[in-house]
Amino acid sequence: GDSVTQMEGPVTLSEEAFLTINCTYTATGYPSLFWYVQYPGEGLQLLLKATKADDKGSNKGFEATYRKETTSFHLEKGSVQVSDSAVYFCALSEAGGTSYGKLTFGQGTILTVHP
Amino acid sequence: DVKVTQSSRYLVKRTGEKVFLECVQDMDHENMFWYRQDPGLGLRLIYFSYDVKMKEKGDIPEGYSVSREKKERFSLILESASTNQTSMYLCASSLVYYGYTFGSGTRLTVV
Repeated sequence: GDSVTQMEGPVTLSEEAFLTINCTYTATGYPSLFWYVQYPGEGLQLLLKATKADDKGSNKGFEATYRKETTSFHLEKGSVQVSDSAVYFCALSEAGGTSYGKLTFGQGTILTVHP
Repeated sequence: DVKVTQSSRYLVKRTGEKVFLECVQDMDHENMFWYRQDPGLGLRLIYFSYDVKMKEKGDIPEGYSVSREKKERFSLILESASTNQTSMYLCASSLVYYGYTFGSGTRLTVV
């Protein structure tokens, strides 16, 4: 079945550092790809998405590019802030008419940014 | 914006109790989902529903049931709560291929 693998965490960075969180996937069709963020004590929020190969999703300074050749969707940000401290989840939406948009999630990566 | 509301943020229940977790969405989405979130295990799908009165098992349905009598409401039922069901429960709704909108979560403790 479809699966998502994220880099091991936790990740600890200083403010203004460059962030990369790796995400690779296995899928039988052509899934849509997502990054969600969960701030402490809250539910998950959609951060960005890409629906086809070579699409770049972006939001709040975060970017990720759908790379079909490497089956990857790595999350990047050029300069992190303390307020970016959260858990980040990579996810894919199964392709096909009977999938009902069901998402498969990675295990999550905890990011802590220090001043 | 779509809003998904979970009825309780925190719940404490006793072992053996029947527990109802309620979820309501306000944007006429067809699909609704229940996940549980545990440290180190990520999000695991319990059940989902793609229409009123329709339901499908997810990856970990044992010990749970669901009800969807109206399009906007999707309830998760713990038939006889056990301590290993202590977890964060997340509800979500979606249109196909557009991703989920999540509720804030219910942290359930079974004692």
